[in-house]
Amino acid sequence: EAGVAQSPRYKIIEKRQSVAFWCNPISGHATLYWYQQILGQGPKLLIQFQNNGVVDDSQLPKDRFSAERLKGVDSTLKIQPAKLEDSAVYLCASSLRVEGYTFGSGTRLTVV
Amino acid sequence: SQQGEEDPQALSIQEGENATMNCSYKTSINNLQWYRQNSGRGLVHLILIRSNEREKHSGRLRVTLDTSKKSSSLLITASRAADTASYFCATVIQGAQKLVFGQGTRLTINP
Repeated sequence: EAGVAQSPRYKIIEKRQSVAFWCNPISGHATLYWYQQILGQGPKLLIQFQNNGVVDDSQLPKDRFSAERLKGVDSTLKIQPAKLEDSAVYLCASSLRVEGYTFGSGTRLTVV
Repeated sequence: SQQGEEDPQALSIQEGENATMNCSYKTSINNLQWYRQNSGRGLVHLILIRSNEREKHSGRLRVTLDTSKKSSSLLITASRAADTASYFCATVIQGAQKLVFGQGTRLTINP
């Protein structure tokens, strides 16, 4: 079974620029998650999709972050404009049920 | 907000010794999971314990769950240098299908 695919693996941008991350979940997984992991901390859930609908985006900074999951398959997460504190690893995960989560390798974002 | 709190934040032991990490959480859960992460990259699922289970084993891993105390522990026996990583507990809260992570324990195994 193919895993969760994420791209790019690394991204360096200047503050105030925009950036987008892409995630392709495991085929058939209805639920998709984006997590932000700042260095030295645990992953924090940004947004959860069920098919193409948003289930939970309570911790998504909506003034600068946006995410979509068109057609209920792959997803993009965008930051515009980026701030220094957005430097983190952005992890995508998908699940079929509450016991089966699979994480991608993540995108490491550095904002300078 | 984070659901779980790991203790200790960092642990350094000699190869061959056992490593114990603890996790406490705040609300009723469906299950609790432990993950390993090397160098801040992808998370690897280690073991899952359901709320109606008290202990589970997988190879050199032993997990316990005490729902009355809202706590769990992960024991790694006969540690190896390759076990050096960050370990996170994550809970699936009852009624919600999402993983909420703690802050993690950084484990270092010295040769």
